[in-house]
Order: sequence, then structure tokens, then C-alpha cells
Amino acid sequence: AQSVTQLGSHVSVSEGALVLLRCNYSSSVPPYLFWYVQYPNQGLQLLLKYTTGATLVKGINGFEAEFKKSETSFHLTKPSAHMSDAAEYFCAVRSGGGADGLTFGKGTHLIIQP
Amino acid sequence: DAGVIQSPRHEVTEMGQEVTLRCKPISGHDYLFWYRQTMMRGLELLIYFNNNVPIDDSGMPEDRFSAKMPNASFSTLKIQPSEPRDSAVYFCASSLGGGPYTEAFFGQGTRLTVV
Repeated sequence: AQSVTQLGSHVSVSEGALVLLRCNYSSSVPPYLFWYVQYPNQGLQLLLKYTTGATLVKGINGFEAEFKKSETSFHLTKPSAHMSDAAEYFCAVRSGGGADGLTFGKGTHLIIQP
Repeated sequence: DAGVIQSPRHEVTEMGQEVTLRCKPISGHDYLFWYRQTMMRGLELLIYFNNNVPIDDSGMPEDRFSAKMPNASFSTLKIQPSEPRDSAVYFCASSLGGGPYTEAFFGQGTRLTVV
């Protein structure tokens, strides 16, 4: 069975500061990892996804994530937070080779302080 | 493309009533997913279809829930009878292709309140 743990249901950072959102996964097979963002009253939007190859993945809006197999982690970072980054962020995993549904973490609410 | 379209955006109904949520996937997409989002349980996959055929409905909570996809451009999620614990945001998503890296595109969701 696969699962995703996101540490911290709420993370607060100052505008311009580093953003770090943590995600650890559990999967019996090599995982396919995703980060989604949800703005208020909106659906989820893909930020980035890990595919085989480079372990550092760049996404939209200046976000990136690093896949560390030894730590079973896929943490999301952004060097400098912007007010528009305030949203809910979800880490998700899909195991196996198919296109079945994603297993999501509980989400992390990112708060940006002016 | 207009993206995944869900209707209604908000639904308030009384306990015991039938509720039908609707979804129009992105044209050409062959996978359709229904998710439920609650504060307690987060995002849960309820059911998904491939080429209009239900593939995995193991996430459907109970027999009160049913989903259909009569054609490639329309799907419904029905709850009968509804209960207060069904209150949640229900998302529909669609994707193209069967690869594990496939991106799912989400609708804006239907916020269901059962009183």
C-alpha cells in the first residue's frame, strides 16, 4: 500500500523567505510523485512531478522539489516566498505503472506574512 | 479548452434527499476520477473510469453512492439517500493516457452540504 505524509498542516513564512514544505512517501514499488496546489475555492493544479532521471524537479511559479530515495522524501521548496503563494499544497503518489488514481497527503496550508 | 466542468458549484440539501453531481471532462481525455475532500480525511479517491468503464470503485464509501459515465463527455456521482456526514467538496478530474506520470486536471469542485 502507498501513503503520503506531509509534516505540518500549516506553515507560515515571511514574504521573501525560503519556503520548505515536507513530504515523505511510503510505497512498495518505485513511486511517481506529484505536488499540486489548491487556491481558495479552486480545484487542484499541478505544480511539478517527478519522473525518472534528474532528482531535482523544477515546476511552475519558481517551485522545485528534490527526490531523495534514501530518505523516501520529496520536499517542495521555493527560494523566495511571494504573497500569491498562499494556498494549500498537496503531495501525491502513484504506485505502479498504470494511470490509476493518486494517493494524496493531508495537505499543508502555506501562510505568507507581509 | 474550458477544462473540467462540474455542476453545481454549491449544493445544499436535506438529509434523506437524493443528490446528483455532474462532471464534464476535458474533451479527448480517457480517464475520469471522482475525489472527495474533507477536513478529517483529506482527499480520497472514490472511483475512476477508463473509456467510460468503471475500473476501481473501492473508494466508494457505501451503497448509497453510485457513479456512472454514460459517454465520454459526461459523468455523474449520485448519493441516495444523503446524510450529513456526506458534506464535503467533491472533485472530478480527467487525464489523457495510461502512463504513471499522467497529469490529472481537476474541476473546481462541488461543495455539498447536507443538513
